[in-house]
Parts: sequence; C-alpha cells; structure tokens
Amino acid sequence: EAQVTQNPRYLITVTGKKLTVTCSQNMNHEYMSWYRQDPGLGLRQIYYSMNVEVTDKGDVPEGYKVSRKEKRNFPLILESPSPNQTSLYFCASRIDPLGQPQHFGDGTRLSIL
Amino acid sequence: GENVEQHPSTLSVQEGDSAVIKCTYSDSASNYFPWYKQELGKRPQLIIDIRSNVGEKKDQRIAVTLNKTAKHFSLHITETQPEDSAVYFCAASIEFGNEKLTFGTGTRLTIIP
Repeated sequence: EAQVTQNPRYLITVTGKKLTVTCSQNMNHEYMSWYRQDPGLGLRQIYYSMNVEVTDKGDVPEGYKVSRKEKRNFPLILESPSPNQTSLYFCASRIDPLGQPQHFGDGTRLSIL
Repeated sequence: GENVEQHPSTLSVQEGDSAVIKCTYSDSASNYFPWYKQELGKRPQLIIDIRSNVGEKKDQRIAVTLNKTAKHFSLHITETQPEDSAVYFCAASIEFGNEKLTFGTGTRLTIIP
C-alpha cells in the first residue's frame, strides 16, 4: 500500500529537548515536504526537498532542520524545541510536479511544554 | 514571496445549495492552484487543481475557476451534501523546478441538513 508514514503520531515534550519526527514514503517519490498546521493559519510549509541531498526552506523554517540522505526518508529535527512549535505537523510527498497530487502522512501532534 | 488569502473563513449552506470559496494570490508567476479538503482529524487530500493555461475545470459537483488578470481563483461546490462538510484549503505554487507551496488559511464548510 502506497503511504507516507510519520512517527511519532503524538508527542508531549519539554522546551529544549531535541526531537526528531520521522517521515518515510514507499512510493519512490522525489519530492517531499514538511508543513505545520495551526488554527487560523492553515498549512505552512517548513522545508521541502526535490531530491536526495537537495533541501530548501519553505515559509517558516526557523527552528527546524531537515535532511534527505536517502530518497524514502525526510526527518524533521527540532534541535531546541520551544512552546511556539506546538503544532500539528504533516509530511507529504509526490513523484514530480507535473500535476501529481501530494500524498500526506497522518500527521504528528507535538506539544512543547 | 507568495501570499494567498482565502475567504470566507467559515461558511454554512443548506444541503443541496451551492458553496463558493474564493482565494487571491500575490505572485503573478504562480501557475498551479490546487484545492485540498481536510475532514476532521484527517490528512488533507487533493480534490481538484487548475493550471494557469486553463480558465475553468470541473469534476462532477466540484469546479474551479481562475482569473489570472485579477489573480484570484474560486472553488464551486454544487448540490452540496453532508459529506462535503470539511475544511477546504486553496494553495498556489510555481510549477516545475520548484516545490514551494503556499496555502490559504482555510474555510470551514458546514452543510446544514
């Protein structure tokens, strides 16, 4: 089954404790993105990647890091999480930009205390 | 960068009536405009998209129109049904060689039986 898998699905943690949200896709997609969703603000792109070792900033990259060492994985790293990073996070992938829809993961709800 | 505004933020319509959601964008270079539907607690899913070389696109009860001159595009849902109740997001991007996608803030559509 084609899917985008995020882990963990839920996490409550404390300020300053480094965390990583993993994202893995089994569709051999080249393009992957991370979004955060906040009430009233919609989905905002954090980072995206168009291929292995190719990443670029989205609209809200501050406080986040990503890596794309292999095609299937695109982890989101919060080196020193802060309460304003409490949000619902979605990873997405697609094969190319020619109209192929993005496949979203199920989301990760992060709470930073 | 691109800025996408979406209106209204909430919309209630009687079952069977039509619903219209409007978005404006700022970057005249944007040429790809997808619409996503997000049901409560679920991931966003693409429902329809349009490119700048097309003025209108239909898929059963859903249609999208694009006015490049005015830089706005709209989602039209006819003969609304209870299962249309969800949050709808518009988005804009420059297709090809780019994976940056800017979303609107969302419209919560409620269908009244």
